[in-house]
Amino acid sequence: ELKVEQNPLFLSMQEEKNYTIYCNYSTTSDRLYWYRQDPGKSLESLFVLLSNGAVKQEGRLMASLDTKARLSTLHITAAVHDLSATYFCAVDTGNTGKLIFGQGTTLQVKP
Amino acid sequence: DTEVTQTPKHLVMGMTNKKSLKCEQHMGHRAMYWYKQKAKKPPELMFVYSYEKLSINESVPSRFSPECPNSSLLNLHLHALQPEDSALYLCASSLKGLSGAGELFFGEGSRLTVL
Repeated sequence: ELKVEQNPLFLSMQEEKNYTIYCNYSTTSDRLYWYRQDPGKSLESLFVLLSNGAVKQEGRLMASLDTKARLSTLHITAAVHDLSATYFCAVDTGNTGKLIFGQGTTLQVKP
Repeated sequence: DTEVTQTPKHLVMGMTNKKSLKCEQHMGHRAMYWYKQKAKKPPELMFVYSYEKLSINESVPSRFSPECPNSSLLNLHLHALQPEDSALYLCASSLKGLSGAGELFFGEGSRLTVL
């Protein structure tokens, strides 16, 4: 059974600091997604990572995928308050749309 | 049009009521999904329709009944729900069907409260 684990589950950080969220998964997959969710809102797609070594960047966020290590990272550079949200990674092992989500990482950026 | 539209945004119902959640997309996507999300938890898959046929049912209780009238519409019929069914119900779609789904696009969700 596929398991997806994120850490940390909660992250409180100061503005302008850097940090990384980790996403480990238990079975082979080459299709990993990162989503952002604001409180009471839906899921916003951030990154789609489709192959080993994939790296994508958007603003202060950068995501990478290492399929051999079964690990994805979401790196935050010089955090700002607007990045406060819950971030989920999700894995789709068979490209079926059946996403298995990590527990989510709640990011709180303090001024 | 890159949106998945869900109605209603909020729904309060009693345990004896019958109600429906609706989802619509006009992106030509061939697979549509229902996910359920409890507070402070990740979303969990309920149903997948691929080319208008039910392809995956994740052992969801029969008080939840999905329907896909056409390739653009997805309904979730609710009957005799329990308070523990209160959650955010998310609809999603993907361009391709069950094999080769690709990226999922999520709607804003319907927040359901069962009294």
